[in-house]
Amino acid sequence: TQLLKQSPQFLSIQEGENLTVYCNSSSVFSSLQWYRQEPGEGPVLLVTVVTGGEVKKLKRLTFQFGDARKDSSLHITAAQPGDTGLYLCAGLQFPYGNKLVFGAGTILRVKS
Amino acid sequence: DTEVTQTPKHLVMGMTNKKSLKCEQHMGHRAMYWYKQKAKKPPELMFVYSYEKLSINESVPSRFSPECPNSSLLNLHLHALQPEDSALYLCASSQEGGTGNGYTFGSGTRLTVV
Repeated sequence: TQLLKQSPQFLSIQEGENLTVYCNSSSVFSSLQWYRQEPGEGPVLLVTVVTGGEVKKLKRLTFQFGDARKDSSLHITAAQPGDTGLYLCAGLQFPYGNKLVFGAGTILRVKS
Repeated sequence: DTEVTQTPKHLVMGMTNKKSLKCEQHMGHRAMYWYKQKAKKPPELMFVYSYEKLSINESVPSRFSPECPNSSLLNLHLHALQPEDSALYLCASSQEGGTGNGYTFGSGTRLTVV
């Protein structure tokens, strides 16, 4: 059973379109992290959200942490081919400290 | 230095071989991790080391044996593996304590067991 449910699993869009990826759980997390992974490489951290209701922006990417700290979303504005990759949400389980668990991931393909 | 370095990048081993994967970081991170990732799946936590001591073992089979010789190094010793153990093995590190600390991952070792 996946602790973190991530949706959609696959997304294929045209350059310039907007998209949102969702990460949901019935568990509370002390923080949620978003990573991007390219084939043959390790995940690269995009952002960490800690406070319920927190919103963080990274250029065209907007991340939100739910008020109850059980869910998060990643919104990309005007997607570009360089955004193509595997997007992973990951939650730091409370109260297990250093136990980061991953959602199933969203494979994003942006076509030019 | 803001990297986690893993060696080797690729490893092919027989089921009777003994090999080791190595991981190194010089960011002063006191928490280090081993993850296993199968194709088209997310990383799965195997082991967590905190201040050079094993703090979490996610019921990993004993044919995988982790070791943390010092605060910068993490090894994963492999013995009598099975073909289903073929995967990308990722090492990561993070600051210890606090909830806002993201992980830094290495590029991984692609392991094939034949």
